[in-house]
Parts: sequence; structure tokens; C-alpha cells
Amino acid sequence: KAGVTQTPRYLIKTRGQQVTLSCSPISGHRSVSWYQQTPGQGLQFLFEYFSETQRNKGNFPGRFSGRQFSNSRSEMNVSTLELGDSALYLCASSIGPPVSSYEQYFGPGTRLTVT
Amino acid sequence: AQSVTQLGSHVSVSEGALVLLRCNYSSSVPPYLFWYVQYPNQGLQLLLKYTSAATLVKGINGFEAEFKKSETSFHLTKPSAHMSDAAEYFCAVSDGYGYSTLTFGKGTMLLVSP
Repeated sequence: KAGVTQTPRYLIKTRGQQVTLSCSPISGHRSVSWYQQTPGQGLQFLFEYFSETQRNKGNFPGRFSGRQFSNSRSEMNVSTLELGDSALYLCASSIGPPVSSYEQYFGPGTRLTVT
Repeated sequence: AQSVTQLGSHVSVSEGALVLLRCNYSSSVPPYLFWYVQYPNQGLQLLLKYTSAATLVKGINGFEAEFKKSETSFHLTKPSAHMSDAAEYFCAVSDGYGYSTLTFGKGTMLLVSP
């Protein structure tokens, strides 16, 4: 069974631009969560989607948005990029909530560098 | 609100020595606790989880953790370190209800020397 795939793996953008990251969950998984990982703040939850609906959102500005498609694939978008948005963005998929019952499987991440 | 504190951003051990990575949590409800491992340039992999069954939880690769409610701790141990254990380890907590999320600690880098 293929794991969680994230594209692209590496990305360099300029301040003020916008970026879209993609996540394909494991086949049969309907829940997708996004996390931001930085050396300073560690792993922080961005949002979770289940059955095309955002079910939970972390404490991030509105520049961060996402969506989930009918095939469970998910995208996240960051507009008006800032230097502080440089991070590893991780996607995790699971069969569904809650996390106590269903393991989250993480992708390798997209490394975003903002210059 | 939930939180996790991992004591020690770096832990160094010799190959064959005991591994002990510390995790303390704060939660207003009975927690669900997890340990993840991250190898360089990879995502996180679940090592083990506590979901209110046995307090001693056995995971993959010889790791285990013990839930101690009185100490609000969930320390990760392995009797004998292997070079391949060198990685970053994250403790996480969830209240386990509905669409609850994982709250991660800052991580502990485990260094294993020959």
C-alpha cells in the first residue's frame, strides 16, 4: 500500500508570493491533517479535513487555508508569504477521527523556504 | 488546554546503553499519549500510544513507555540502544474526543555513539 505522498518535496518562494502544497493520503483514508514544523516552534497543528470539510483549525492567520477534494486529496495554500513561513509542512492521513482510535500516517513533508 | 514538555532537547547514549526520553503532559481530561520518531528528511512514525488500557505500553523497535498519572509522565525507554535509534523523538497528547488534534512536545534528539 502506498504511503502518504506530498508534492513538491522542496520549494523556494519569494516573500509576498503564494504557494500551494499537495497531499495524497493513503488509499481509503478520509482524514487529512496538516502540521507546520519549525526549529523554534516545533510541530504545530494547522488544520484537519474529513470528508471534504474542515473539522478543526489551529491558531494560524487567515493566510493559511486548505481544502480537501472528494478523493480525499488535500491542498494547503499560503498567501502573501513571510520569511517566518519557512518550515517543513507535514501532512498526515488516517481512516478518520479520533486520533486515539486511528493512527495518523505522516508523509515526508514539503520543505518551504521563503527568501 | 493540553501541553507536553520534553526534558532535554538532546540526549546522548552509547550503543548498548539504556535509552530514557522524558515526557510530562498537562491535560484537563484523561489523556491519550503518543510517541513518534522522525528520521532525517522523513515524516513522523508512530512508536507507541497509550489509550487508557495497560499503563505499560510496548511499541515498535523495542521501545516501551509507562503512563504514570500521579507524575503526569509518559517516559520512553529502550533497554539497549542501537545506532539505528539515532533520530528525533516527539511526545504528543490528545484528549481523544471527536476531531481532537495532537499537541506535540518540542522533541528530543537522540544521539547514539559507538
